[in-house]
Amino acid sequence: EAGVAQSPRYKIIEKRQSVAFWCNPISGHATLYWYQQILGQGPKLLIQFQNNGVVDDSQLPKDRFSAERLKGVDSTLKIQPAKLEDSAVYLCASSRTLSPLHFGNGTRLTVT
Amino acid sequence: QKEVEQNSGPLSVPEGAIASLNCTYSDRGSQSFFWYRQYSGKSPELIMSIYSNGDKEDGRFTAQLNKASQYVSLLIRDSQPSDSATYLCASRGGGGADGLTFGKGTHLIIQP
Repeated sequence: EAGVAQSPRYKIIEKRQSVAFWCNPISGHATLYWYQQILGQGPKLLIQFQNNGVVDDSQLPKDRFSAERLKGVDSTLKIQPAKLEDSAVYLCASSRTLSPLHFGNGTRLTVT
Repeated sequence: QKEVEQNSGPLSVPEGAIASLNCTYSDRGSQSFFWYRQYSGKSPELIMSIYSNGDKEDGRFTAQLNKASQYVSLLIRDSQPSDSATYLCASRGGGGADGLTFGKGTHLIIQP
C-alpha cells in the first residue's frame, strides 16, 4: 500500500511570512495526525483528526497555526505568521483506530 | 501533563552485543506503548508495539513492559552498525484521543 504522502519536502521562509503543508494519508486510515519535531527532540502532537473532525488540538498554537481536513482525507497545516521558533520538521501520520501510526517523510521548515 | 522520559545518550554498544534502551512514562492510564527508530534526516519507523505486561519478541528485538513501575524497555540482540539511530519511545492513553506522546529519544551508536 502507498505510504503517507507529504509536500513540500523542504521550505525556507522569512519570519512573519505564511506557509502551508499538505498531507495525504494511507487509504482507509480514518485518523490523521500532525506532529512538530524540533531538532534533538521527540515529535510533539499538534492536532489529531478522526475523519474530518478534530479530536485533540490542545497543543496547537491557535494564534498562528491552523489545520483542516476537508472530506476526511487530505489535510493542510498552515502557519501564519511564522516565527523563528517554528523551524522544525512537520510530520504527518495516519492510522486505523487505535493502531500504530505510520509517518510520512515530513516537511523540513526553516524560518529565517 | 503526560510525559515520556528517555536518556538522550549517546549509548555506545559494540557490534554483536545487546543494546538496552529504557523509558518511563507518567500517565498511569497509558494503555499501549511503541518503539520507533529514526535515522538522521528520516521519519520515525515503527519497530515494536506492546500492550500488556511482560516481554514481546520480534526477531532481534524484545520489548518489555512493566505497568506497575511505568517502565518500558527495548532490547536489541546481536547489534549491527545499521541499528545505529535514535530510538523513540511513545505511549498512548486509553481515552478517545489516541495520539502518541513521544520521549526525546535515545541516540544509539553501534561500534564496529
